[in-house]
This record gives sequence, structure tokens and C-alpha cells, in this order.
Amino acid sequence: EDKVVQSPLSLVVHEGDTVTLNCSYEVTNFRSLLWYKQEKKAPTFLFMLTSSGIEKKSGRLSSILDKKELFSILNITATQTGDSAVYLCAVEPPSGGSNYKLTFGKGTLLTVNP
Amino acid sequence: DVKVTQSSRYLVKRTGEKVFLECVQDMDHENMFWYRQDPGLGLRLIYFSYDVKMKEKGDIPEGYSVSREKKERFSLILESASTNQTSMYLCASSLGVYRLYTGELFFGEGSRLTVL
Repeated sequence: EDKVVQSPLSLVVHEGDTVTLNCSYEVTNFRSLLWYKQEKKAPTFLFMLTSSGIEKKSGRLSSILDKKELFSILNITATQTGDSAVYLCAVEPPSGGSNYKLTFGKGTLLTVNP
Repeated sequence: DVKVTQSSRYLVKRTGEKVFLECVQDMDHENMFWYRQDPGLGLRLIYFSYDVKMKEKGDIPEGYSVSREKKERFSLILESASTNQTSMYLCASSLGVYRLYTGELFFGEGSRLTVL
């Protein structure tokens, strides 16, 4: 069964819209939650979240983690066509053992139309 | 900038052939990973390595093996390719736990393998 569930699976918006992407997970004990952006090729790192309630921000993108409710959101304000991509969420297990094994969600395909 | 280079962007092989996918990183990272990415299934970990000559199975190791003889190079081997191994293969690397490990993965651009 999926341990990291992203929603929606796909989303189409117009430039200037604000979008919220969701990531829920079943892993109760983990080291961090990470967000990646994948355009046509390699995923690139966006954020790493370790603490609940602390927002990470980079330009028009922001993300927050809720460890109690087991979810994270990624917000993109004033979307641009260049934001069109698959956004991936991943959970990293706690230190020790196989602590490098990220578990990825299936991603959200965001399409921003001009 | 960290660079992870996958030697083959596109390959077409026949069923039963042996396939080598090569990955090289230039940032002295301890950890290296092989993922495959399929529509509707997302990224799934095949194998990873946290040191030279060390390897651990990921979630879907069947039909694959790996080799890490040098720190910068991690190879994925399909001993006898099958059509269900047609996929996009992504290599990644990261710092080890003793060196400011952040969890961030640096990905290569992918190798799209088609097995006929």
C-alpha cells in the first residue's frame, strides 16, 4: 500500500492562479519530508521539512509540515507557465538502518496555461 | 554545482540482452541510488549504495544488480533484460550521514530504456 499519497494527481490552472498541492503520509516516525520539482528531466530539490508548523519559503513557493495530522502542503502563488512540472513529495526514514531510502509519492502534474 | 551524469540517455535493447547503465557523480558523495520511474507508479528505489563496494536492496531489486567499485561510479546491471524493464532509470547521489547530510538527492537526467 502507498505510504506517501499526493493529491491531486493532476491540476490545470491559468497563469496568476494560486495552487496548493497536498502530500499525506502514513509513516509516523521519519527524519524529514522533501519536495522536488521535475520538469522534463531530472527532479530538482525544492524544500526539506523536519519540524511541524515551520514554513519554508522560496520566492513564490512555500511549504509547511503538519506532523500531527501527517501531511504537508506546497503552495505556489502567482503561477507562471514555467511552474508546469510534476511535483514530487518524499519521506525520509529516521536515522539508523536504511536511513537513505526515500519513499516517493506518485507526484502531482501541474499544468499552468497562459 | 553537483553533477550526476548518466552515460546513456536513450537505449533500445532486445529481450535477454545484458544491459549496463552507468552513473558518475563529481561531488564526492557517499550515497548513490538507482530509481526507476513509470507512469502511475512514481519513483521506485531499485538499489542504493552508501559506500564503495556496499549495496542495499531497495523496493524492487528483482532482475537487477549493481556495482560500486569506485566512489564516483554506480552501475546498474540488467542481467537478462525483459520487456517489463522498459522504463526511465534515474540515478541520484547524496552526502553521507557524517558529512552534513541533508537528505537532498541530486539526480541525473535519466536513461530511457526500451526493451523489445
